[in-house]
Amino acid sequence: DAGVTQSPTHLIKTRGQQVTLRCSPKSGHDTVSWYQQALGQGPQFIFQYYEEEERQRGNFPDRFSGHQFPNYSSELNVNALLLGDSALYLCASSFRLGANYGYTFGSGTRLTVV
Amino acid sequence: GENVEQHPSTLSVQEGDSAVIKCTYSDSASNYFPWYKQELGKRPQLIIDIRSNVGEKKDQRIAVTLNKTAKHFSLHITETQPEDSAVYFCAASTVPSSASKIIFGSGTRLSIRP
Repeated sequence: DAGVTQSPTHLIKTRGQQVTLRCSPKSGHDTVSWYQQALGQGPQFIFQYYEEEERQRGNFPDRFSGHQFPNYSSELNVNALLLGDSALYLCASSFRLGANYGYTFGSGTRLTVV
Repeated sequence: GENVEQHPSTLSVQEGDSAVIKCTYSDSASNYFPWYKQELGKRPQLIIDIRSNVGEKKDQRIAVTLNKTAKHFSLHITETQPEDSAVYFCAASTVPSSASKIIFGSGTRLSIRP
């Protein structure tokens, strides 16, 4: 049973560029949440997708956008990259109506903006 | 807004001793409190969770307590071992809901001294 998979694992981008990160949820999960984890900090909630719609959003600018596909996979897009966007981006999946409410995290994408 | 405060930020204990990490949350609607362990360069992994209708939960050497009135919850690790060294995150969430998100604390770096 595959867990949450994210790609790429590492990425280096230049300021001002755009980046797309991808996530495939765990089998049986239908909800995908994205988190940004800066070095030495806890994960910060970016947004959550369910039924191909953004359901809730954290305190992140519009430069951060996403999408969920019919197969439940998801993309995170960041435009006009800033140095401060350098972080580990974590995708977490869950089953909306499941008895187990915990998220399953992917290994993350390490984004470095130079 | 929603906030989870966690302390201490670093904790060093002798192998075999106990470790305690404490958290407070601000959102009275929170009813689910997971704890995650993150080893260096790896994904956060759920180690234990507790729901608001329970005051205490134990799983082998790990226990969590919840004081809903005071909005406090704690993680207790007994008989610590070298493999317990990691960063631990407490978190709070409101589930089930139509759009749940998990708010994380800032983390505690636990070091086990041999």
